[in-house]
Amino acid sequence: NAGVTQTPKFRILKIGQSMTLQCAQDMNHNYMYWYRQDPGMGLKLIYYSVGAGITDKGEVPNGYNVSRSTTEDFPLRLELAAPSQTSVYFCASSYANSGANVLTFGAGSRLTVL
Amino acid sequence: RKEVEQDPGPFNVPEGATVAFNCTYSNSASQSFFWYRQDCRKEPKLLMSVYSSGNEDGRFTAQLNRASQYISLLIRDSKLSDSATYLCVVNNDYKLSFGAGTTVTVRA
Repeated sequence: NAGVTQTPKFRILKIGQSMTLQCAQDMNHNYMYWYRQDPGMGLKLIYYSVGAGITDKGEVPNGYNVSRSTTEDFPLRLELAAPSQTSVYFCASSYANSGANVLTFGAGSRLTVL
Repeated sequence: RKEVEQDPGPFNVPEGATVAFNCTYSNSASQSFFWYRQDCRKEPKLLMSVYSSGNEDGRFTAQLNRASQYISLLIRDSKLSDSATYLCVVNNDYKLSFGAGTTVTVRA
């Protein structure tokens, strides 16, 4: 049982390049999330999805896009990378039930934009 | 005002000591509350949920005060392995808000 799998673990991008961070979960969770964590800061929600075909913006969506074509996969697309997107990105999933919303996180993707 | 605020610490304590810290939240309609633990450069992991009546999990005790809008975490008989950053998490309509974390360092 892999849980939440993120790839790649590390990536260096040049300004203006694009890339996709992959996230897959095998727990049949309906909710999936992308967070970014900057040094000394709390996790900020970028996008989330409550099920296949449904996505919505979080606190900091600018510069990112997502899709949710299947229950398992929730890729995060960075278009025109900027130094401000240097961060650690965490994908998470949950089976939200009656207000209890316990997240299972992937191991993170560390992105540097130079 | 931030949705969730925590004292960043660090709290440096000797093994066996008790350490406690709080977290305040701004949305009085928040439905559920959690403490997550994050080790250096790792993903956050659930430590415990926080219930209105307070709850314990071994050496860890969590309390919720809805009137004053804060939650607390107390660690008894600290172990070296308790050294980590503790994240306060508040759930609002299935969107979780994270505090920046309180760092605890337990020394031998």
